[in-house]
Amino acid sequence: DIVMTQSPSSLAVSAGETVTINCKSSQSLFGSVRQKNYLAWYQQKPGQSPKLLIYLASTRESGVPDRFIGSGSGTDFTLTISSVQAEDLANYYCQQYYDTPLTFGSGTKLEIK
Amino acid sequence: QVTLKESGPGILQPSQTLSLTCTFSGFSLSTYGMGVGWIRQPSGKGLEWLANIWWDDDKYYNPSLKNRLTISKDTSNNQAFLKITNVDTADTATYYCARIPPGHWYFDFWGPGTMVTVSS
Repeated sequence: DIVMTQSPSSLAVSAGETVTINCKSSQSLFGSVRQKNYLAWYQQKPGQSPKLLIYLASTRESGVPDRFIGSGSGTDFTLTISSVQAEDLANYYCQQYYDTPLTFGSGTKLEIK
Repeated sequence: QVTLKESGPGILQPSQTLSLTCTFSGFSLSTYGMGVGWIRQPSGKGLEWLANIWWDDDKYYNPSLKNRLTISKDTSNNQAFLKITNVDTADTATYYCARIPPGHWYFDFWGPGTMVTVSS
């Protein structure tokens, strides 16, 4: 199984700051056929189901604010949230879909000071 | 507008079979490349993928539970199903179904989830 390791497990920032969440996979998620990285990011607000933010490592889902930026390739990926807002309070998860079983990171809890 | 909604028994006893239904709208599981997956989340914990079913009835299971899982669909009624046999307290979780867009293996729309408690 591909193990997804997220860091940090939690962080607290003030509104307006920039946040970086890291996700490392135990093997490369780069597919040579489509030349893409098979990684997605989700946001889960308290009491809600997860919401897709980013797919193919850096493609923003329709309707997602452009302050959410996905980057990285191979085994190392980053979700950057610029100018964090109070509504961004949530848990964030990465997911690899390079191979089955599909696996998620353990999550990063974002708190707003 | 894509929507999904899960339904289940709420509570069941150890060794019983858990039957879950996902009723969806706004897309069809007869569309080429479309899929539906099941994911669960114990309270306060992370996400665990369980199984996917595709438009052509292809199925994938998490090997850690493979022998206990059965995924199926009713295309005409826009429903997908998941059965988990021989449940125990470790299966207590919120169960989500989610859409998989054609050509991909991530989940772009999720249902609100249904809580399942296994208790004697």
